[in-house]
Order: sequence, then C-alpha cells, then structure tokens
Amino acid sequence: ETGVTQTPRHLVMGMTNKKSLKCEQHLGHNAMYWYKQSAKKPLELMFVYSLEERVENNSVPSRFSPECPNSSHLFLHLHTLQPEDSALYLCASTVSRGNEQFFGPGTRLTVL
Amino acid sequence: AQSVTQPDIHITVSEGASLELRCNYSYGATPYLFWYVQSPGQGLQLLLKYFSGDTLVQGIKGFEAEFKRSQSSFNLRKPSVHWSDAAEYFCAVVELNDMRFGAGTRLTVKP
Repeated sequence: ETGVTQTPRHLVMGMTNKKSLKCEQHLGHNAMYWYKQSAKKPLELMFVYSLEERVENNSVPSRFSPECPNSSHLFLHLHTLQPEDSALYLCASTVSRGNEQFFGPGTRLTVL
Repeated sequence: AQSVTQPDIHITVSEGASLELRCNYSYGATPYLFWYVQSPGQGLQLLLKYFSGDTLVQGIKGFEAEFKRSQSSFNLRKPSVHWSDAAEYFCAVVELNDMRFGAGTRLTVKP
C-alpha cells in the first residue's frame, strides 16, 4: 500500500477525446506532483501543487490541464492530445517540498 | 544542466553477485539524495535517502548507498543480488525544492 492511488491504470484515447486522470493520496501530504515518463527519457516534472496552489508548470502544453480541488486529490485533464503524449503518467505526493516523494502506480496512456 | 547522471543505462549481473549502481550529481550545497526502484508497469518506490549525518545509509531490501562529497557521488550497492531485484533504478537529488531524477539504470539479473 503506497498511499497514493491513480485511476485509471490504463487509458486509450483518440486525439479528439477528452479524458481525465485522477490521483488520490491518503498520507496527509501537502504537495502533489504530475510526472511524465516516456521510454528512454528521464522522468519529466509537469506540475507541482503545494497547499492546493500550483507552484510550478514546466512549459507543459495547454492540452494538459491540472486541477487540485483539495490537498488529497489531483487531476490531469486531457484534450486533443497527440500520439507523442503516449507515456506513463505518474502522480506523487510529499509532506512538504524537498522531502521524499511517494508515487502512485501510474496511468499508462496511449493516444491513437 | 543535468543535476543527476547515471552513467550506466543497463547492467547485467548474476544472481548472488554483488551490485553497484553509479550516480553522480552536480549541486553546490549539501544535497538531499535518493534512490528509487521501479518494477515494470509500477510507480517508483523509495529505497533509501541521504539528508545529512552518516555518509553510509541503509535502505530497504538489503540496499545501501554511500555519499562521497569529494566525488559528487551517491552509489547504490547490494552485496548479493536476488532475481527479484531486476528493475529500473533511479537516483534523484532535491534541487530548488523539487526532485530531479537521473535517466535510470536498468538491472537484469541472470540465473
């Protein structure tokens, strides 16, 4: 039990679809992250939320839209994605930025 | 500039042999350093971390790592590898409040 859950675990979508990824942490943490993991590339930090406020957006295309309604939940809304967006999307949380992060199992996204 | 370098993309060891995975970092201050392991299709699991104090840190699953400031290294070691250790291993450093990861080293374990 990692304390961080992600749904769905697998998602296949067309380029015109709209879908959302969900992350929930049960650890009482105050910061949450979205990462993108593509084959043969380092883990890419996408967004950081601290105390429900977005504190970092690493030049991510606007077709990715995060939402953090409370400190336990984080969403990644997807629309008009491209095939190169296919990847494993990982959510993580931490008690405060700069400490170890706890990861969810990820959502494997395939864009057709 | 890349904060964390893992020079070995892929390493193969025999079961029961010793293991060392290399990690070098570039960071001016005393770094916070981590090793994570990722099994196929899974998220990352923390193996161990270094914040300060004793430079040899013990982690889960029999792993240890040594912080060497003079070499800017934080290598991961295990005296005897088990088949279940086959996975991807990531070194990470906290920089400007967030974690920067190396590209990873894939470990294959031969019977």
